[in-house]
Amino acid sequence: KNEVEQSPQNLTAQEGEFITINCSYSVGISALHWLQQHPGGGIVSLFMLSSGKKKHGRLIATINIQEKHSSLHITASHPRDSAVYICAVRIYNQGGKLIFGQGTELSVKP
Amino acid sequence: DTGVSQNPRHKITKRGQNVTFRCDPISEHNRLYWYRQTLGQGPEFLTYFQNEAQLEKSRLLSDRFSAERPKGSFSTLEIQRTEQGDSAMYLCASSPDKGGRVTYEQYFGPGTRLTVT
Repeated sequence: KNEVEQSPQNLTAQEGEFITINCSYSVGISALHWLQQHPGGGIVSLFMLSSGKKKHGRLIATINIQEKHSSLHITASHPRDSAVYICAVRIYNQGGKLIFGQGTELSVKP
Repeated sequence: DTGVSQNPRHKITKRGQNVTFRCDPISEHNRLYWYRQTLGQGPEFLTYFQNEAQLEKSRLLSDRFSAERPKGSFSTLEIQRTEQGDSAMYLCASSPDKGGRVTYEQYFGPGTRLTVT
């Protein structure tokens, strides 16, 4: 079993829909990252969080440390949100390396 | 541009050849990480440096792989006697992390896509 599991693996939505991507992990962490990867490979950090909730524009990330679970929400989705969204955790006291989920491929149709 | 840069962006090589990739981190970032990503998967950790010291190597990093960061600035990743299974995207990331209690972001480069034929 992977230390970081994401669901769903693929998601197709209509423009305007509310989207949720889930991430569960099985190890003790010091932080959790949500990353966005567009075709061609470039990875952009969306959020880094260790507790509670963060919001940036139409994106919201939450984390429940006790349940070892995080969610990424996209409100009013748009075709330009189409990308792979990756959850990654920084394991406590292991030098800052990230352990990644397998990613969720999101396609938003107009 | 002051982000993380990687060169080359693409590399096609024949099985058995050696390849070397370069990563230039954001200036003054202490930590530099190498990850590998195969098609349809999330990245996997390979190794990381704190300044010029290589502090951890993954079991994924076989004897054919070597990484250096000689002056604590840019880093190179060399793969000797490449195999088809080495085909992947090789990602570099840097961070101002100094190893204390504060957690820092990692900033990723665009990656080097390696194809071994």
